[in-house]
Formats: sequence, C-alpha cells, structure tokens
Amino acid sequence: EVQLLESGGILVQPGGSLRLSCAASGFTFSNYAMNWVRQAPGKGLEWVSTMDTSGAVTFYADSVKGRFTISRDNSKNTLFLQMNTLRAEDTAVYYCAKHLIIGVPSPYDSWGQGTLVTVSP
Amino acid sequence: DVQMTQSPSSLSASVGDRVTITCRASQGISNYLAWYQQKPGKVPNLLIYAASTLHSGVPSRFSGSGSGTDFTLTISSLQPEDVATYYCQKYNSAPRTFGQGTKVEIK
Repeated sequence: EVQLLESGGILVQPGGSLRLSCAASGFTFSNYAMNWVRQAPGKGLEWVSTMDTSGAVTFYADSVKGRFTISRDNSKNTLFLQMNTLRAEDTAVYYCAKHLIIGVPSPYDSWGQGTLVTVSP
Repeated sequence: DVQMTQSPSSLSASVGDRVTITCRASQGISNYLAWYQQKPGKVPNLLIYAASTLHSGVPSRFSGSGSGTDFTLTISSLQPEDVATYYCQKYNSAPRTFGQGTKVEIK
C-alpha cells in the first residue's frame, strides 16, 4: 500500500524558513517524479513544485519561485520542500503527491494527509 | 501559462440528478486533463485522467469527456456521498494548474 507521510509544518513568523518532509513507502520511490501541492484554508488546490526521479529537473509555481526548493533523497525514500522568506499567503496545508504512471505525464494517484504551515507574527 | 477555468463554482442538485461540471483551458492541452474529488476535510482523490479514463475503483456514474480546451465531468445519478468539491487539473507540462473548484451539494 502506498503511503505518503508529510511532516514539518508549524507556526512560523513572516520571513522565516521551514523544511517539510514527505516519507514515502509502498512503492519504488526512485521511479516516480514527485510533487508538492498546497491548499490555503477554505481555498482550492494550488500546484507548488515537481521534481523528476533523479532530482535533476525541477519546476516551481511563480508564487514560490526563488523562495522554495524541492529536493529528494532516493536512498531514504523522502521528498523535501525547503521554504524560505515565508509570507502570510504561504499559509496552507501542504500535500506531497505521487504520479500515477512512470515516465510520462500523469496525474496524482496518491496523496499524503498533509502538513499545516501557518505563517503569522 | 495555461489557465484552467471551471464552471459553475457551486451547484445544488437532487439525489438522482445528472450533474455536469465544465473545465476550460486557455490553450489546448490535448487530453492531459484529470478530475479530482475532495470531500470535506479529506484528501483529494483521483477520479478521471486522460480526460475520460476512469481511475481504478471509481464508480461508473462518473464520466469525463473532452479534448483540446473544453472538458466535462458528469455524474449520471448524483448520490449523497458525492457531496464534495471537484477540481480539474492539466498535467501535460508545468505549471500543472488546477481549476478553482466546483462545490457540489445536495438540494
């Protein structure tokens, strides 16, 4: 059974930094591109970032580009999101999500339960 | 960037009604379109991908159609357990934009 377990969400002040983790199990982590998606309270889903299988290729939403960095450790089956210069508008539940199919564009078939990041003085 | 626009933003229908949600892409995305269901307080679940392929375990009352820029999600007979917010997503390339969501309620 695929499991994705996010951690690291806390209350942080504006301008602060935070590192989220997503521990994966139940599938061959190194074979799948991985993603972060966020959802502000009462709002819709927002794609944040994608990393390919090796970590060589990354994509970011304009809203986080230059402030967030996605990374992965395939030896530990873990995805990360380093979040710097945090703003109030970054307040959200952050989900990691796995692609449905290896090697071709595909949607997300497995999601973690999410970790809440609150940016507030 | 390609924008994804869903309509309506919310709807209320009776049990057994046929419900249709539309999603429009600002540029053609072929059939790289997925639909997700998010029930209140829960994680999103994949319903349909490749515009019309039903994901494993999804009830057959859900169906999708479309290609290019215009897509639809149809629930053939609305059930109480279908109360949720539905999102479309383009996934051909980054940014993998979601629509703003359509909230479905029971009348």
